[in-house]
Amino acid sequence: GAVVSQHPSRVICKSGTSVKIECRSLDFQATTMFWYRQFPKQSLMLMATSNEGSKATYEQGVEKDKFLINHASLTLSTLTVTSAHPEDSSFYICSLGPNAGLAGVGRYEQYFGPGTRLTVT
Amino acid sequence: QKEVEQDPGPLSVPEGAIVSLNCTYSNSAFQYFMWYRQYSRKGPELLMYTYSSGNKEDGRFTAQVDKSSKYISLFIRDSQPSDSATYLCAGREGGGNKLTFGTGTQLKVEL
Repeated sequence: GAVVSQHPSRVICKSGTSVKIECRSLDFQATTMFWYRQFPKQSLMLMATSNEGSKATYEQGVEKDKFLINHASLTLSTLTVTSAHPEDSSFYICSLGPNAGLAGVGRYEQYFGPGTRLTVT
Repeated sequence: QKEVEQDPGPLSVPEGAIVSLNCTYSNSAFQYFMWYRQYSRKGPELLMYTYSSGNKEDGRFTAQVDKSSKYISLFIRDSQPSDSATYLCAGREGGGNKLTFGTGTQLKVEL
């Protein structure tokens, strides 16, 4: 499967500051990347779908002006949490999905990064 | 009602036991079903996926999907302590990329 990295793995920031999280595909060119958020004891919730060269698609209830997504290349997507608050503290995970133009079930697999633990104090 | 329901556990079993993990879902449009394993503070890794109803076996793991009852299962044979993790089921509509996850079941395999 594809190898996905995230940076940083852990970040602590003060309330009101902004934090950028990077998601890199190390061996695969991904036209689509996904950003999830996972609170303790809860499922992964899709926040947005990041498309290379175009605007991200946000899920209902996710503020696009607060969670800025940039997918400038086929190997890098970034999530910036602007004006972070303690309630934004969570585990943020990206994943990448292969080119949707390719046929076959296996081509729709999503490969997840190791996650970024954000703590806002 | 959540689209995918999963008992959070924890489920504790002795080493060597057969483990049964289950999910129910409500979205009739789901065509693909996945099981992910997530170790503590790590990203999920894909274990198995199945298309529509049926069984799929891979080593000690067997995935089952019954679309008529909207029930999906993962069986782990000869469970090992290294299987201790949280197991997440997920469904996806045909032709789409969006995965909908259950909350995950925490499994502990004890020596």
